[in-house]
Amino acid sequence: EDQVTQSPEALRLQEGESSSLNCSYTVSGLRGLFWYRQDPGKGPEFLFTLYSAGEEKEKERLKATLTKKESFLHITAPKPEDSATYLCAATFIEGYSTLTFGKGTMLLVSP
Amino acid sequence: GAVVSQHPSWVICKSGTSVKIECRSLDFQATTMFWYRQFPKQSLMLMATSNEGSKATYEQGVEKDKFLINHASLTLSTLTVTSAHPEDSSFYICSAREVILGAYEQYFGPGTRLTVT
Repeated sequence: EDQVTQSPEALRLQEGESSSLNCSYTVSGLRGLFWYRQDPGKGPEFLFTLYSAGEEKEKERLKATLTKKESFLHITAPKPEDSATYLCAATFIEGYSTLTFGKGTMLLVSP
Repeated sequence: GAVVSQHPSWVICKSGTSVKIECRSLDFQATTMFWYRQFPKQSLMLMATSNEGSKATYEQGVEKDKFLINHASLTLSTLTVTSAHPEDSSFYICSAREVILGAYEQYFGPGTRLTVT
């Protein structure tokens, strides 16, 4: 069973159509929840780290939230340049050094 | 945000030769660096964790003698793919951890595309 699960696998939006990406984790003892953006052929770009339930962080059109079971990445009025794969990763108290990645959500925003 | 660089960004080598990839944290000191491998349309797979001045810790199934990792300073880690074969062709990405007031952020390099012919 995957420890970190992202949904949906792929998402197509029209420009301006807001939506949310989900990241759920099944292991207790979360240490940190990370969101990255990855463009094709490039390394992941750091977006946010969340540490405790109720925490929220924002950057431009993106807002990340965290509950005890999952995290959401909300995209408000997306633009075509927001098209990318969004990766969620977590570190846990057991084995805390390493990021456990989800499989990612591929987002395509059409003009 | 913090910047991690990798060099080279792409490399083509012949089967049986060795290739070295450098990873540098440009504006922070990283006691811990990580090496990942990514296949097309798949997520990142952790290969090894390296701490400055000590031996790397390899994930299960990763050959230590094939993928040599050296973390000689707080800003530099290197991955050497020894006796490369076509199946080693992949996208290699390094990552560096920055610790701030007990919390940490982890930043990734731009990746190195290795093609073994």
